[in-house]
Amino acid sequence: AQTVTQSQPEMSVQEAETVTLSCTYDTSESDYYLFWYKQPPSRQMILVIRQEAYKQQNATENRFSVNFQKAAKSFSLKISDSQLGDAAMYFCAYRSAIGTYKYIFGTGTRLKVLA
Amino acid sequence: GAVVSQHPSWVICKSGTSVKIECRSLDFQATTMFWYRQFPKQSLMLMATSNEGSKATYEQGVEKDKFLINHASLTLSTLTVTSAHPEDSSFYICSARDPYLAKNIQYFGAGTRLSVL
Repeated sequence: AQTVTQSQPEMSVQEAETVTLSCTYDTSESDYYLFWYKQPPSRQMILVIRQEAYKQQNATENRFSVNFQKAAKSFSLKISDSQLGDAAMYFCAYRSAIGTYKYIFGTGTRLKVLA
Repeated sequence: GAVVSQHPSWVICKSGTSVKIECRSLDFQATTMFWYRQFPKQSLMLMATSNEGSKATYEQGVEKDKFLINHASLTLSTLTVTSAHPEDSSFYICSARDPYLAKNIQYFGAGTRLSVL
């Protein structure tokens, strides 16, 4: 069975600085998808970025980018130029390329942004 | 992007009563919807996968008679918590998958906070 691990329960970053959130996963599959979701205090889950495992190029979305290391089964999220609105819980998620489309979530990292 | 509406956002009920939560995909047809439960300061735990026109698939340890799921149309799935007890108090979140557009992404509702007295 697949597992997703987020080893940082909480992180802090100064406004305008850069922070990296860690995520590792375990799977025997070769094709899958990885996601980072943000959950602000409103509890609404918001997709931040996604990565297809078959793509070697790291995904980027404006200030958000990932470092996808397939062999190491690592999928970290880098937030550049951190803003107060980035403060939230961040969840890493895994989805197999076959089967039921269900996500496996990590335990989350709470990001605090300091003014 | 795709919008998923969840209603109600907060419900308080007495122990022993049943509560129904609705999840609607507003601008797309969702053949598959998912129901999650989230305890305070914890991650999302998948409860069941809801498929339009067929029975839901429940995760191990989730009581199907306790948490009734109905996916009667391509835009609506409902979760009914039957004979609710205080231990059922939690945050319930639904999500939906658009099979035709960005089909690998789940779009989430805003969640329902259930408080059982």
